[in-house]
Amino acid sequence: QVQLRESGPGLVKPSETLSLTCKVSGDSVTSRTSYWSWIRQPPGKGLEWIGYIYYSGSTNYSPSLKSRVTILLDTSENQFSLKLNSVTTADSAVYYCARGDGTFRFFDDWGQGTLVTVSS
Amino acid sequence: DIQMTQSPSTLSASVGDRVTITCRASQSIDTWLAWYQQKPGKVPKVLIFRASVLESGVPSRFSGSGSGTEFTLTISSLQPDDFGTYYCQHYNLYSWTFGQGTKVEVK
Repeated sequence: QVQLRESGPGLVKPSETLSLTCKVSGDSVTSRTSYWSWIRQPPGKGLEWIGYIYYSGSTNYSPSLKSRVTILLDTSENQFSLKLNSVTTADSAVYYCARGDGTFRFFDDWGQGTLVTVSS
Repeated sequence: DIQMTQSPSTLSASVGDRVTITCRASQSIDTWLAWYQQKPGKVPKVLIFRASVLESGVPSRFSGSGSGTEFTLTISSLQPDDFGTYYCQHYNLYSWTFGQGTKVEVK
């Protein structure tokens, strides 16, 4: 069973950069059958896909966030990370990392989620 | 971009009811659709993928159907554990999109 665990600051100031890491166990981030993804959910609202990174380092991001997002792979630590710059209060959310199944294109393994609040 | 529209946004039902949730795509997506259940404070859990394939361990009262632009999640007989919010999710050209969600609440 694949396990994912998010880590990072729970509080970020407006205009600064939100940085989170997702540690993966039970699978390798170099797997060719996985799309390592970030998804977020503002309090009381729905799910929003942020983007993914593939074993090759290729990425794709949500058009609405593309200008502010970077997802990176760290194969030595078997983890991947999210950076979202110029944050505002609208970026306050529970951030999940998840494994996207490469064959059937759904998210079958999720981290527990981490709440990030943007506030001064 | 392909838009996903879920309906209804809220559904009130009783234990034993047959429940149907619909997800419509703005253009054809073949069968690249999944359904998730989320309970308050919990991680979403996949129920159905490829529009109609039941994920291992998911009760058989859940079923999915559809292709192209219209998809349905059906719960044949609602159980107490089934109350929560349901999301459809689409995949297209290396992008994923979630529907806005359907909250299933006690009538």
